[in-house]
Order: sequence, then structure tokens, then C-alpha cells
Amino acid sequence: TQLLEQSPQFLSIQEGENLTVYCNSSSVFSSLQWYRQEPGEGPVLLVTVVTGGEVKKLKRLTFQFGDARKDSSLHITAAQPGDTGLYLCAALSGGYNKLIFGAGTRLAVHP
Amino acid sequence: DAGVIQSPRHEVTEMGQEVTLRCKPISGHNSLFWYRQTMMRGLELLIYFNNNVPIDDSGMPEDRFSAKMPNASFSTLKIQPSEPRDSAVYFCASSPRGGGRTGELFFGEGSRLTVL
Repeated sequence: TQLLEQSPQFLSIQEGENLTVYCNSSSVFSSLQWYRQEPGEGPVLLVTVVTGGEVKKLKRLTFQFGDARKDSSLHITAAQPGDTGLYLCAALSGGYNKLIFGAGTRLAVHP
Repeated sequence: DAGVIQSPRHEVTEMGQEVTLRCKPISGHNSLFWYRQTMMRGLELLIYFNNNVPIDDSGMPEDRFSAKMPNASFSTLKIQPSEPRDSAVYFCASSPRGGGRTGELFFGEGSRLTVL
């Protein structure tokens, strides 16, 4: 079974702080995705990383795919209350288009 | 453009009753997925369809669960009989192509099921 382990499980910070969350696995993935889920809504795709070592930036969010394509990180600079939510990493597992998810990091940013 | 549409948004039922959840994928998307989300187990893939055909139903918990996709614009997930442990948020998601390399998913807002 290919598992995605996310850490930390919970994170509570003040507005303006920086943070990094992690997604790790013992398996190699062809690509990895990050989603954000807000209360009462479905997950929304933030980014897909494909190449080992790849870094993608989305405003204050920086995503990195590990060189060996087994892990990924998400760094948020100067967090804002609007960043509050559940951050999920996901990757294709086994069969065609079968996307599995990590348990997520629940982030709370306080004003 | 309309996103993935799920109904009902909320359902409260009693143990033993039949529950039917509905999903309309984004037009033109040819893959459809049903996930279940709980605090304990996170997001679990139940079943997915490609071009209306079930490809992998290994995540369906047991025979009480069934899913159909009679056409490209509609799918149902049925639980009969329902049990309290089925309480969860059920998400439907669709994908714009048959997977490809990255398999990005577009999720609906979910159906929150409570079985008493």
C-alpha cells in the first residue's frame, strides 16, 4: 500500500508567521498534488508537481517536490487568516488515475 | 461554468434506511470518483468510473454500498441498509481526461450523511 504521511497534523499560528508542512512516502510518484479544503467545501487543487526537485510558487505559497519524487513540502510565507484550512497532498497510486490522499495538515491562522 | 454538483448537501436518516447520493460531473469530464471523508480515516476512494464504466471499486466498504453511472452526466452512490458507521461526508469528483499523468480532480461540495 502506498501511503502519504503528512506532518504536522495540526498547526495553529499567528498572522504573519511562516510555516512549512510536509508530505512523505516510501514510494516514488510520477507526480504529486496539493489541495486546500475549507470547512463545508470540497478540496480545491492548488498545484501539481511533476519533476524531481521542482519548485513552484503560488503567491505566498512555495511547493517543492523532492529530488527522489518521494516527498514534498509546502511553505507559506507571512500566513494570513485566509490561509486557514486543511491542506492535503495526493498522488496517483497503482492503477490509472487512482488518486490517494494523505490525512492532511489542519492549519489555523489567527489574526 | 458549473462545477461538480452533488445532492443532497445534508441527509439525516435512521439506521436501516436506504440512502441515495447523487452527482453531476463537469460536462466533458470522462472520469468520476466517489470519496468518503471522516476525521478518523481522512479521504478514502470508494470507486471510480472512466467513460461511465466502473474501473476500480476496491474501496467500497461492503455489499451495502453500490454505485452506478448510467450516463456521462449522472452518477449515484447508494447505501442499503445504512448504518451509523456510514456517517461521513461523501464527495464526488470528476477529471477532465482519462487520467493522464497527473489526474487533477474537481470536487463537489459534498453530501454530509448522518445515520442515527
